[in-house]
Amino acid sequence: AQTVTQSQPEMSVQEAETVTLSCTYDTSESDYYLFWYKQPPSRQMILVIRQEAYKQQNATENRFSVNFQKAAKSFSLKISDSQLGDAAMYFCAYRTPPEGRDDKIIFGKGTRLHILP
Amino acid sequence: IAGITQAPTSQILAAGRRMTLRCTQDMRHNAMYWYRQDLGLGLRLIHYSNTAGTTGKGEVPDGYSVSRANTDDFPLTLASAVPSQTSVYFCASSVDRSSYNEQFFGPGTRLTVL
Repeated sequence: AQTVTQSQPEMSVQEAETVTLSCTYDTSESDYYLFWYKQPPSRQMILVIRQEAYKQQNATENRFSVNFQKAAKSFSLKISDSQLGDAAMYFCAYRTPPEGRDDKIIFGKGTRLHILP
Repeated sequence: IAGITQAPTSQILAAGRRMTLRCTQDMRHNAMYWYRQDLGLGLRLIHYSNTAGTTGKGEVPDGYSVSRANTDDFPLTLASAVPSQTSVYFCASSVDRSSYNEQFFGPGTRLTVL
């Protein structure tokens, strides 16, 4: 069965610094998708970034980028120039293509990120 | 309405009671989902619907049922609530079932079963 592990329950970073959140997953599939979602105190889940497993190039979205290591089954999120608004719970998620099988969407347990002013 | 709405925002419920959590989206998305979020466990998929008229089971479907009579609404029903169903429930939708599509989440319903 697929699993997603976020080994850091909480992290802190100084404002304007860079922080990396780790995520590892376990799967026997070769085709899948990976996501990072952000959940601020408002509770609203927001997509931060996504990566297709067949793409070797790491996804980037402004200050957010990923380090996708398929062989190591690792999908870390790097936040550059951290801002106070980045404070939130971050969830890593794994999803398999749904064609011909049950939908599998697996979320990690989350990493709470604190931004220190 | 803009996006996804959920009702109620929060609810305290006696064990054994029936409860329906409502979810409505106005984005004409085909796919909809229900998750529960528990401290230390992240989000877990309860049920999903790829399109109106179809539903499927997720990771933790027991004790829950869903229906999808139309595109916009995807209610989640607890037939006989138990304390272990105390959780925050999130409804989400996406354009279709494609794995790459972003899921848009509602604001959540905090449910407490006593």
